[in-house]
Amino acid sequence: EAQVTQNPRYLITVTGKKLTVTCSQNMNHEYMSWYRQDPGLGLRQIYYSMNVEVTDKGDVPEGYKVSRKEKRNFPLILESPSPNQTSLYFCASSPKTGGPGPLHFGNGTRLTVT
Amino acid sequence: RKEVEQDPGPFNVPEGATVAFNCTYSNSASQSFFWYRQDCRKEPKLLMSVYSSGNEDGRFTAQLNRASQYISLLIRDSKLSDSATYLCVVNRGDDKIIFGKGTRLHILP
Repeated sequence: EAQVTQNPRYLITVTGKKLTVTCSQNMNHEYMSWYRQDPGLGLRQIYYSMNVEVTDKGDVPEGYKVSRKEKRNFPLILESPSPNQTSLYFCASSPKTGGPGPLHFGNGTRLTVT
Repeated sequence: RKEVEQDPGPFNVPEGATVAFNCTYSNSASQSFFWYRQDCRKEPKLLMSVYSSGNEDGRFTAQLNRASQYISLLIRDSKLSDSATYLCVVNRGDDKIIFGKGTRLHILP
């Protein structure tokens, strides 16, 4: 089944404790992206990647890192999480034919930082 | 001006009615356009792409007006299961995909 898999679904952590949210897709998509969704603010792009070893900042990259060592994986790293990073996070992928097209989303990761 | 703007709603509409959503975008170089549906606490799912010629999928019709930088979605004969948040999404042309904040729709029995 074609899918984007994020883990974990729920995560509660404390300020400053490094964490990684994994994202994997099995559709051979070039484009992958991370979003956070907050009430009243909608979906905001954190980082995106057009292909392996190519990553770019989105609109809200501060406090996050990503890597794209393989086509299928695009982990999101929070080196020192803070309470303002409490949010619902989505990973998404898309084929890149003439620019990113329709996005396929993972199920989301609900992160709470205390 | 926001890059992608939608009326946040909520729209409370009786079952069977026709509902129209509008969306405007600010970047005239934007290349592709989509409507997504998002149920509460779930991931967004593609509803339909939007083409200049207009396109229809069952009860759903999408239109794009590039001159006015305006996208619309029409839902006919609305069902209870259409209750969700509808997101207008624009590929800005520089490989950045911008989401509107969404319009909440409640279909009333």
